[in-house]
Amino acid sequence: KQEVTQIPAALSVPEGENLVLNCSFTDSAIYNLQWFRQDPGKGLTSLLLIQSSQREQTSGRLNASLDKSSGRSTLYIAASQPGDSATYLCAVRPEGGSEKLVFGKGTKLTVNP
Amino acid sequence: EAQVTQNPRYLITVTGKKLTVTCSQNMNHEYMSWYRQDPGLGLRQIYYSMNVEVTDKGDVPEGYKVSRKEKRNFPLILESPSPNQTSLYFCASSLRQTSGNTIYFGEGSWLTVV
Repeated sequence: KQEVTQIPAALSVPEGENLVLNCSFTDSAIYNLQWFRQDPGKGLTSLLLIQSSQREQTSGRLNASLDKSSGRSTLYIAASQPGDSATYLCAVRPEGGSEKLVFGKGTKLTVNP
Repeated sequence: EAQVTQNPRYLITVTGKKLTVTCSQNMNHEYMSWYRQDPGLGLRQIYYSMNVEVTDKGDVPEGYKVSRKEKRNFPLILESPSPNQTSLYFCASSLRQTSGNTIYFGEGSWLTVV
């Protein structure tokens, strides 16, 4: 059974710092991995999607990497801003036609001005 | 604007009183699904639908029903709600999941069953 773990559960950093969020998954048989952002009381916004054949994706100050064989992904946020404060969720789509995403429990990020 | 719209956003109801949470998407997506989010458990899939009239169980389907009579709508039905169904519910949609498309989420429906 696929399990997704995110470490740390919470992170507090000063504004301007570069930071890395970690995601690990137990079964490397995945179609893709997505990083989402969730603001309090809001839905999930997709940030980056990495197909299993890819190693990384970039969008603005965000860079996500995928090492499928070792079951790891990282989300790198450059020059963090208070507006980046949110919970970041990692999710994988397992192979096998299950048509679902398996989510980690998230990392709650606070960027202090 | 691409949207997944859920209603109601907030609801307090009593045990046993049937309720429906509606979900509608305007992107002509084939795939739709429902998740619930609970503290310490994360997001878990309840049901999903690959297309009109095609639905299947996710990880936690007990106590829920769904239907997909039209492509844009995917309502979640709680026939006899119980307190353990108090949760935050999300509807999601995408083009076929197998093609690795981005999935869009609604803003969530906070449901409390007393």
